[in-house]
Amino acid sequence: DIQMTQSPSSLSASVGDRVTITCRASQSISTYLNWYQQKPGKAPKLLISAASTLRSGVPSRFSGGGSGTDFTLTISSLQPEDFATYYCQQSFLIPRTFGQGTNVEI
Amino acid sequence: QVQLQESGPGLVKPSQTLSLTCTVSGGSISSGGYYWSWIRLHPGKGLEWIGYIYHSGGTFYNPSLKSRVSISVDTSKNQFSLRLSSVTAADTAVYYCARDVAKDWFDPWGQGTLVTVSS
Repeated sequence: DIQMTQSPSSLSASVGDRVTITCRASQSISTYLNWYQQKPGKAPKLLISAASTLRSGVPSRFSGGGSGTDFTLTISSLQPEDFATYYCQQSFLIPRTFGQGTNVEI
Repeated sequence: QVQLQESGPGLVKPSQTLSLTCTVSGGSISSGGYYWSWIRLHPGKGLEWIGYIYHSGGTFYNPSLKSRVSISVDTSKNQFSLRLSSVTAADTAVYYCARDVAKDWFDPWGQGTLVTVSS
């Protein structure tokens, strides 16, 4: 299986901060990388597909980048509603696998 | 828009079979060429993809669970279901159903249901 490693596992930030989360794959996955946001008690929500394609309705302060083994999710100016856990997920090989999550807290 | 909702027992005894159903509303499970997946979130750990089914009944399972998993579909009820046999405490998790787009990403997801394996 492809192992997905996110860093950091948690971070503390303030409203207005620029936040970057990193996801590293154990082998090259081209741009077969998706990002999700999950708030407590809620379903995960797809933010970005194919490494950098922002999904409809997702604020433009979110952006994704990278290819091969190294990827980033950036929030340009953190808003109160962005405090959540973020997961990356690879779709290059089955079984699709997820990172362990990054908890963004105040 | 499409919505998904999981249902089933929240407590299962060790060695028994976990059974969950996902009801799809706002769209037909048979249209759009989508797959339909089950995913779980272990307490304190990450997300694990369990498997998917197509409306025709074709399935694919995570090899780590393949010997214990079965996913079925009932197009007349717009539902798909998960069965996981011989459960242990390690199967305690929040179970999600999700629409599986092109075997690539998952969108949308259900709210999730906590299943605890305990005697």
